[in-house]
Amino acid sequence: DAEITQSPRHKITETGRQVTLACHQTWNHNNMFWYRQDLGHGLRLIHYSYGVHDTNKGEVSDGYSVSRSNTEDLPLTLESAASSQTSVYFCASSDLGEQYFGPGTRLTVT
Amino acid sequence: SQQGEEDPQALSIQEGENATMNCSYKTSINNLQWYRQNSGRGLVHLILIRSNEREKHSGRLRVTLDTSKKSSSLLITASRAADTASYFCATAAGTDKLIFGTGTRLQVFP
Repeated sequence: DAEITQSPRHKITETGRQVTLACHQTWNHNNMFWYRQDLGHGLRLIHYSYGVHDTNKGEVSDGYSVSRSNTEDLPLTLESAASSQTSVYFCASSDLGEQYFGPGTRLTVT
Repeated sequence: SQQGEEDPQALSIQEGENATMNCSYKTSINNLQWYRQNSGRGLVHLILIRSNEREKHSGRLRVTLDTSKKSSSLLITASRAADTASYFCATAAGTDKLIFGTGTRLQVFP
């Protein structure tokens, strides 16, 4: 069965370190998205991609970057982790509107 | 900024009762979607309603859309303890990019 996976599921890192969160989907979807979820804010869009080599900034993109070298993967990089980036991160993919979500990565920046 | 705002923020009911959640949004949309999130999990797509549709059903779910009022409602009939979750509305304005609301936490007591 097709799926979308994220790794790691939990990560603790220190302020200033670079962190990369992985997202891999086997749906063969062109569209992929990264969100962060914080209490009181729901899900906010960080970056998204509509295909290989395409990336776009979302609502809260500062301090994050993505690259899309193939259809299956959209890694999210925190260039220099900050405590404000402590959150739960979700990756999603879509083809015709409906989005399929990964299980999430809980990131703690100390 | 959030596009959708759900109301109420939290709802507690007994099994067998109906649960109604409302969503208001600000700008024109192509479609509106509802998602469920169980604690500690990713979001799961429930139903999509297009801007030219007024009502849609899926099992025990009934969704209405009033584009003149920029609002939607999700009705879960004959609720079960397993329906306990957070429910989010999300709007799309012509692409697969979604803007999520802050969610309604539903608690169904056995």
